[in-house]
Amino acid sequence: DAGVTQSPTHLIKTRGQQVTLRCSPKSGHDTVSWYQQALGQGPQFIFQYYEEEERQRGNFPDRFSGHQFPNYSSELNVNALLLGDSALYLCASNFRGLSYNEQFFGPGTRLTVL
Amino acid sequence: QKEVEQNSGPLSVPEGAIASLNCTYSDRGSQSFFWYRQYSGKSPELIMFIYSNGDKEDGRFTAQLNKASQYVSLLIRDSQPSDSATYLCAGGDSGAGSYQLTFGKGTKLSVIP
Repeated sequence: DAGVTQSPTHLIKTRGQQVTLRCSPKSGHDTVSWYQQALGQGPQFIFQYYEEEERQRGNFPDRFSGHQFPNYSSELNVNALLLGDSALYLCASNFRGLSYNEQFFGPGTRLTVL
Repeated sequence: QKEVEQNSGPLSVPEGAIASLNCTYSDRGSQSFFWYRQYSGKSPELIMFIYSNGDKEDGRFTAQLNKASQYVSLLIRDSQPSDSATYLCAGGDSGAGSYQLTFGKGTKLSVIP
């Protein structure tokens, strides 16, 4: 049973650049959420995709955007990178039909902005 | 503003002891609660979830929920050095047709051999 996968593992960018992170959900899951985890903090919700639409968004600026494809995989795009965007970006997936929202995380992408 | 509060620790317990991790939440609309374990440099791993008042046991782990007090806890019995990690508490929100998780900052647990 394939778990959640993310690519790339690590990424180094400079301020002002743009980045795209990718996620494939766990087999049987149809919903993908993205979280940002700064060092020493808990994950913070960025947004969630279901049926190729953004369903809910956390307190993140429009520089953060995403997409979900028909095969349920998802991308997170961040434009005009800032030093403060350096973090671990986590993708989590779940099956929307379950009532209690058990989300499973991928290994994450470590983004460093210089 | 939904908030989940955890004592950041570190919490140190001797091997074989019971580790008790606590969490409070501000949103009475939260219906389910999750405990994740996160090793240093790794992603969170789901340990347990609970949605009814009372206790839920799974092996060495027991989750406890008290909705009236807005309090969630995780007990780890017979703690092992391999349990040393940061434990994240999260509240689930199924309002408005979405399923956002709100996390605390985590409690760092050290199990001393």
